[in-house]
Amino acid sequence: NAGVTQTPKFQVLKTGQSMTLQCAQDMNHEYMSWYRQDPGMGLRLIHYSVGAGITDQGEVPNGYNVSRSTTEDFPLRLLSAAPSQTSVYFCASGVGGGKKQFFGPGTRLTVL
Amino acid sequence: DQQVKQNSPSLSVQEGRISILNCDYTNSMFDYFLWYKKYPAEGPTFLISISSIKDKNEDGRFTVFLNKSAKHLSLHIVPSQPGDSAVYFCAAPDYNTDKLIFGTGTRLQVFP
Repeated sequence: NAGVTQTPKFQVLKTGQSMTLQCAQDMNHEYMSWYRQDPGMGLRLIHYSVGAGITDQGEVPNGYNVSRSTTEDFPLRLLSAAPSQTSVYFCASGVGGGKKQFFGPGTRLTVL
Repeated sequence: DQQVKQNSPSLSVQEGRISILNCDYTNSMFDYFLWYKKYPAEGPTFLISISSIKDKNEDGRFTVFLNKSAKHLSLHIVPSQPGDSAVYFCAAPDYNTDKLIFGTGTRLQVFP
């Protein structure tokens, strides 16, 4: 069991570039989510999904898109990167939003 | 509006002593709480949880106490060890929105 995997571990982008952060889980969890962690702000929910084909917005969704075509994968797309999106991004999965979540190792993103 | 609050950004404790990390919440509908631990460059990992039907839950050196009337919970670590140095997040599921709401975290440093 690999659990929750994220790629890449590190990424540097220029303002205006786009990219996709990958997230996959092999625990057959219906619920998946993306968080960003910033100093003093804790973990803030970007988008989440309660199952394949269903996504919804979290606290800070602007500038990000998600899709959920399979149970296993939940990619996060940055449409036009901005310096304010410099952060550490965590993907998580669980049997439900109200249940224990398992987190991936994170992607550290820097936008110049 | 921060529904889960950790008002102490950092805590420093000597090895062998007790560490007490605090968390307050505002939503009286919350009935389940989780603590996560996060080491640098890793994703958060689940530590311990408590249901509102209990006022205490213990797991080895870790005990969580819940005071529903005060909307307050605390995590006690006894005895503290240098390996406990990490950021600790408390979290509560909002069943209405199917989201897990995190506090801003407390950085614990345990020194020899």
